[in-house]
Amino acid sequence: EPEVTQTPSHQVTQMGQEVILRCVPISNHLYFYWYRQILGQKVEFLVSFYNNEISEKSEIFDDQFSVERPDGSNFTLKIRSTKLEDSAMYFCASIITSGASTDTQYFGPGTRLTVL
Amino acid sequence: GQQLNQSPQSMFIQEGEDVSMNCTSSSIFNTWLWYKQDPGEGPVLLIALYKAGELTSNGRLTAQFGITRKDSFLNISASIPSDVGIYFCAGLRRAGGTSYGKLTFGQGTILTVHP
Repeated sequence: EPEVTQTPSHQVTQMGQEVILRCVPISNHLYFYWYRQILGQKVEFLVSFYNNEISEKSEIFDDQFSVERPDGSNFTLKIRSTKLEDSAMYFCASIITSGASTDTQYFGPGTRLTVL
Repeated sequence: GQQLNQSPQSMFIQEGEDVSMNCTSSSIFNTWLWYKQDPGEGPVLLIALYKAGELTSNGRLTAQFGITRKDSFLNISASIPSDVGIYFCAGLRRAGGTSYGKLTFGQGTILTVHP
C-alpha cells in the first residue's frame, strides 16, 4: 500500500542552525501538510501546500519556516535558525484531491528533531 | 481556535474488555478521523467519517460521527494487547476557496491493555 515517507528519522542540530526535513507524499496526492508534535502533547497543524504555494498556515509557522516542492516527488520543511523550542516530531501528511475521500490525511512516520 | 476535548485521557483495561472514547467540540467539523499512534511513530488512520450520523466499523473498531457534527466516539471491542497505544480524534473543517482544510487533534487517549 502506498505510504508517505520521511527522512531523516532523527535529526540532531545545534541552536541557530538550519535544518531541512524531507517528505515524499503518496504519488497521486497533490495537497500536502506539515504538522508537529511536541513530546507528550497533541499534534498541531503547521502549514498546508497546494499547487506550489502555501494554502494555509498556523501562527506557529513564522518567518523561520518555509516549505518547498523542489521536484515532482519531494516536499520539504526548512527551519532557518532553529530554537530549543523547535524540538519536536514533525509529520508530513498528504491527501488525494479528488473522489470521496479527499479529507483523509495520511501521515508519514515523522522526523524527530532535537535542538541542542 | 477550534478545540477538541477528548476523553478519557487514559484507560487501563483487561484484555477482552470493550473500550469507548469520545471527542467533543464547540465547533462543527466536516469530517472526523480517528488515528492510533505508537511511540515514536506517525499517526495511523483507523476510521474516517464523512457524514453526520455515520456509523462505520473497521474490524473490532466502530466509530460514529455525531448528528450535531460536534462530536464523535470510537469503540474497541474485545481488546487485545496490541491495541495498546495513543488514540487521537481529529476534526477537519474546510476553510473554503482552494483550501482543503486542516486537522485539529484531540489531546489523545492513552490505552493500556493488561493481558
